[in-house]
Amino acid sequence: KAGVTQTPRYLIKTRGQQVTLSCSPISGHRSVSWYQQTPGQGLQFLFEYFSETQRNKGNFPGRFSGRQFSNSRSEMNVSTLELGDSALYLCASGAGTSGSTDTQYFGPGTRLTVL
Amino acid sequence: AQKVTQAQTEISVVEKEDVTLDCVYETRDTTYYLFWYKQPPSGELVFLIRRNSFDEQNEISGRYSWNFQKSTSSFNFTITASQVVDSAVYFCALSERDTGRRALTFGSGTRLQVQP
Repeated sequence: KAGVTQTPRYLIKTRGQQVTLSCSPISGHRSVSWYQQTPGQGLQFLFEYFSETQRNKGNFPGRFSGRQFSNSRSEMNVSTLELGDSALYLCASGAGTSGSTDTQYFGPGTRLTVL
Repeated sequence: AQKVTQAQTEISVVEKEDVTLDCVYETRDTTYYLFWYKQPPSGELVFLIRRNSFDEQNEISGRYSWNFQKSTSSFNFTITASQVVDSAVYFCALSERDTGRRALTFGSGTRLQVQP
């Protein structure tokens, strides 16, 4: 099975711009989660999508948003970029079964640099 | 609130040494899940193991072993006969059964450097 893919792998933007990152989960997986990794804050949960619905949300401002499509692919968007948004954004794929916590498998990440 | 503590920021060993990475967690739930992930320089988080709170059996996989002790809220990871390829950052993570807290809470990570 192919793993989780994320595009683009690297991105450079300037303050005030917006950015869209894409994630394709493992085939058959229905849950996609997004995490932000920075040297100062470590790995932090952004949100989780399942069956095109946001199922869980972390403590991030409204500038961070996401969506999931019917084929389980997901995008996250960050508007009005700030310098502090520079980070590695990791997407995780889970089977999405109910009643338990899925093991999450991560993609290679998108490294976003905001200048 | 759930919390994961990895007190060891960085560990340096020489190849073939055994090394143990510590993980201590806090949770109010009786049902929870513990994970270890490896992050090599490429950045991708690689899943290593998952443990359910009701299963305290230790696990061994090749040179890797895990010691889960609910009494001390610890889930430690030992690499036997370390190799240079083991150099990476290792993260311990926790999630709970409750839908609203299923997201992974990560520790701050332990950077392991294995010198040849």
